[in-house]
Amino acid sequence: DTEVTQTPKHLVMGMTNKKSLKCEQHMGHRAMYWYKQKAKKPPELMFVYSYEKLSINESVPSRFSPECPNSSLLNLHLHALQPEDSALYLCASSTGFSGANVLTFGAGSRLTVL
Amino acid sequence: AQSVTQPDIHITVSEGASLELRCNYSYGATPYLFWYVQSPGQGLQLLLKYFSGDTLVQGIKGFEAEFKRSQSSFNLRKPSVHWSDAAEYFCAVVRTNAGKSTFGDGTTLTVKP
Repeated sequence: DTEVTQTPKHLVMGMTNKKSLKCEQHMGHRAMYWYKQKAKKPPELMFVYSYEKLSINESVPSRFSPECPNSSLLNLHLHALQPEDSALYLCASSTGFSGANVLTFGAGSRLTVL
Repeated sequence: AQSVTQPDIHITVSEGASLELRCNYSYGATPYLFWYVQSPGQGLQLLLKYFSGDTLVQGIKGFEAEFKRSQSSFNLRKPSVHWSDAAEYFCAVVRTNAGKSTFGDGTTLTVKP
């Protein structure tokens, strides 16, 4: 299995809702990432987990809460989002968190905040 | 801090024509270098990478890239473009011994029939 699977593919939520994005990989990768991507822009790193521990938080607002329950799963909990948070959210994984690692991306979850 | 520049925001080529997408980086040492492709509504897929050794690297889908240290460049090439190559292309760099990727702003490739 060489895939990163993200669910849901599309999500519409109001500003008072609580929802979660899920990401799963079975490649034995020990680093997992959340990226946010706006249209026609490069991905922006949000969080990195290395061996199930949070390694990087790129000063992301607390309305985004990541969770790594085990080495195969990564969640992004969403609460009280703003319309400007509408974007494509990409999950990625790599064998480890060092320079020579290739990122394997999921297809993304398209989030719309009303 | 490292940075990546993709000078061409949008490139249009005819099907069957050759392609070169430019990427320049700014970093004190040679970083790890990557090219990714993103089709509409999809995630990014690795085309090729350079870590060390031979400066001409081959990738998937008939793409290749050449690392030129003197020019701090890692340009992507393809001899004959197919309509299915229309996509967004991102160059990325990672500092050696660090894990965080820095992406260029991307180049949108349009292929004319």
